[in-house]
Amino acid sequence: DSGVTQTPKHLITATGQRVTLRCSPRSGDLSVYWYQQSLDQGLQFLIQYYNGEERAKGNILERFSAQQFPDLHSELNLSSLELGDSALYFCASSGGDSETQYFGPGTRLLVL
Amino acid sequence: GIQVEQSPPDLILQEGANSTLRCNFSDSVNNLQWFHQNPWGQLINLFYIPSGTKQNGRLSATTVATERYSLLYISSSQTTDSGVYFCAVEIKPSNTGKLIFGQGTTLQVKP
Repeated sequence: DSGVTQTPKHLITATGQRVTLRCSPRSGDLSVYWYQQSLDQGLQFLIQYYNGEERAKGNILERFSAQQFPDLHSELNLSSLELGDSALYFCASSGGDSETQYFGPGTRLLVL
Repeated sequence: GIQVEQSPPDLILQEGANSTLRCNFSDSVNNLQWFHQNPWGQLINLFYIPSGTKQNGRLSATTVATERYSLLYISSSQTTDSGVYFCAVEIKPSNTGKLIFGQGTTLQVKP
């Protein structure tokens, strides 16, 4: 158990819908990262937050947004969903930059 | 951008055999981690190893930062070692922890 929790574990929804994925980092970790794993793109970095502030952006679509709350949990919002958004979404946390990242169990999203 | 290449892409072993997985990267890195993704999809952190050598039980890893490669050694493999092994790096200079993943090595250990 990495100490990072993600909910829900599985999500099935339809095209055009909006979903919210939730992540709670390990106790004391200030950085939260979101990654997407798909069959064609592999594991890709989406976005990072540090202590409530956006720190870095990767290949995140404009239809996707994220935030980190004062209690340090984070949410990833995916809207206007398309079939191609079906993937495993991971959250990771670390104490700071260039430190070990610990990954949550992931949320498996299926868009039908 | 930075390239992270892992080899071999696939590996089949008999239980008890040893193996070496390789990760080559094209730029200097702040951070390098090895992960094991089990058949249930969970990503398990094996090593944080931007340089040097570490050992944890039957697993060990070595990163030679000046030559831009890292090796993961698995000794006396077990069926529970099956899964995908990923190398991930954070490039220099960077003030974030953004990890770039290789495509992985899929390992199957047969009983």
